[in-house]
Amino acid sequence: DADVTQTPRNRITKTGKRIMLECSQTKGHDRMYWYRQDPGLGLRLIYYSFDVKDINKGEISDGYSVSRQAQAKFSLSLESAIPNQTALYFCATSEHSESPLHFGNGTRLTVT
Amino acid sequence: GDSVTQMEGPVTLSEEAFLTINCTYTATGYPSLFWYVQYPGEGLQLLLKATKADDKGSNKGFEATYRKETTSFHLEKGSVQVSDSAVYFCALKDAGGTSYGKLTFGQGTILTVHP
Repeated sequence: DADVTQTPRNRITKTGKRIMLECSQTKGHDRMYWYRQDPGLGLRLIYYSFDVKDINKGEISDGYSVSRQAQAKFSLSLESAIPNQTALYFCATSEHSESPLHFGNGTRLTVT
Repeated sequence: GDSVTQMEGPVTLSEEAFLTINCTYTATGYPSLFWYVQYPGEGLQLLLKATKADDKGSNKGFEATYRKETTSFHLEKGSVQVSDSAVYFCALKDAGGTSYGKLTFGQGTILTVHP
């Protein structure tokens, strides 16, 4: 969905490095989410934010942090990357609790 | 807690074959149910949804009926095309409680359609 832009699309980093994944949206949605996708596990929620001042942990937040710099921007950080954080990461937005999620095209992260 | 279970994949079909991908769920409230599709190199896109029991969601020839009695939301298509090759995710959104409308996903089913 071109309205939700993730950068970079691909990233290879080494164990112990700090890395930031960025997400920006032009949909004007208050709600933003970070998910990771692993083969056979589907998507799992890392963090979510319902507005600039509201940030909440998801089911797998350990090892991650987020920053909601503005309504349109929600970044995900790995303070000290480890190999089992190798995954496909998706940012998503929604207008309200009953509306569908709109996903970015993902960031493929490899930690060596 | 909430959970979604999809049939094991991958699924391989010939063009024009009938497709069923099974999905069952566990939820404490009255969830909304969704099917998302992920084409290669892209993010997930909403395919269809149903918000209450006996609702039927449909889109692009795909259908799924919300069955509360069997806690199921199976995806069907009468005649698949090569362009339907993708990964399909069943998901639920619990409207109330502490879930705040977050999505819980199944593990995904890879569909490959051959000419």
